[in-house]
Amino acid sequence: DVKVTQSSRYLVKRTGEKVFLECVQDMDHENMFWYRQDPGLGLRLIYFSYDVKMKEKGDIPEGYSVSREKKERFSLILESASTNQTSMYLCASSAPPRDYGYTFGSGTRLTVV
Amino acid sequence: AQSVSQHNHHVILSEAASLELGCNYSYGGTVNLFWYVQYPGQHLQLLLKYFSGDPLVKGIKGFEAEFIKSKFSFNLRKPSVQWSDTAEYFCAVVNTGGFKTIFGAGTRLFVKA
Repeated sequence: DVKVTQSSRYLVKRTGEKVFLECVQDMDHENMFWYRQDPGLGLRLIYFSYDVKMKEKGDIPEGYSVSREKKERFSLILESASTNQTSMYLCASSAPPRDYGYTFGSGTRLTVV
Repeated sequence: AQSVSQHNHHVILSEAASLELGCNYSYGGTVNLFWYVQYPGQHLQLLLKYFSGDPLVKGIKGFEAEFIKSKFSFNLRKPSVQWSDTAEYFCAVVNTGGFKTIFGAGTRLFVKA
């Protein structure tokens, strides 16, 4: 089974801190994604990557950056955390055209105080 | 721009009732369609998917969905729900050849025991 592992299940950070969220997948998937999930808003795409060192902005990239130095690892960076970034963050991977479906990680619930 | 609309944000049913969750998308090309489910405290997982062929797709746990191309719809159904079906359900669309999956806002289903 494909596994997508997110390094932290819960995080509490202070306003202004730089925050790193890590995601690792073990099935050689080309595509990796970061979403945030908020009640009533569904999943909103922050950034995605289709290859090592390649990244593309999603729908809500402001305040975030990403890094993909290795195929299996995709990091989300909050440059200066703010309270409106309190959310559930989901990492996912996929391998089109073999399969467009996503495999999700367990999520990281980030609270910024 | 592509969008996915889920008709209901909250649905409350009694056990053994029939379920239908509506999903409509806006995209004129060839699409791949998905339903994902998130049980309380668990990560998002794939429930079923449609790529091509028979428009009636069967998934896990007795769920099925019907793709009606003329209506741009992909509704999720289950003849008889159980308490364990209490979860949030997300419809999602990706255009063939594309990278990004677009998610609906989600429907929270609560099944009364």
